[in-house]
Amino acid sequence: QVQLQESGPGLVKPSETLSLTCTVSGYSISSGYYWGWIRQPPGKGLEWIGSIYHSGGTDYNPSLKSRVTISVDTSKNQFSLKLSSVTAADTAVYYCVRDDPWYFDLWGRGTLVTVSS
Amino acid sequence: QSALTQPRSVSGSPGQSVTISCTGTSSDVGGYNYVSWYQQHPGKAPKLMIYDVSKRPSGVPDRFSGSKSGNTASLTISGLQAEDEADYYCCSYAGSPRVFGGGTKLTVL
Repeated sequence: QVQLQESGPGLVKPSETLSLTCTVSGYSISSGYYWGWIRQPPGKGLEWIGSIYHSGGTDYNPSLKSRVTISVDTSKNQFSLKLSSVTAADTAVYYCVRDDPWYFDLWGRGTLVTVSS
Repeated sequence: QSALTQPRSVSGSPGQSVTISCTGTSSDVGGYNYVSWYQQHPGKAPKLMIYDVSKRPSGVPDRFSGSKSGNTASLTISGLQAEDEADYYCCSYAGSPRVFGGGTKLTVL
């Protein structure tokens, strides 16, 4: 079955760039769908960060757009998130998702990223 | 774009039915038939339960149903079971961005 797995540093310093990668297994990203990122601060709700189409077109949350870059590497069957100039408010569990595109039908297990010096 | 409004908590006894509301605006819930619902157990990733307002993915029990009236969407869980105790989030397409509700904690008494 299709599985998504996030990877990347669990600790990032303030003002630096958060970088995460999602590896997809059981499905070729180049075959279709959007692929996205959603985050959840500890004890709080969900926030959509953005999504990328397999061909590279992107859609970002306007509240984060100036700091977010999502890219796709079809040769590795991965897509990635970069969030620049992070602060403590960016501390959250980050989930990679398959975006259908009006709903998120598959989720990774999530990875906690803490922003702290 | 403001978050959608959900009750912070609801509760029900086993076998009963509960409904969770999700109120938005004509720019999101009321403007599109793209409301989805997610179930999240503690420490776990959310799971899609309802999409396109009222459709159920394969494997989701038919005890879960969705509907919409105007700017408010609803998730109804009938025949409550202990394993239904979780947080539930609604989400709506709103052009861009996609917006989530603040989440509702369902307690099975």
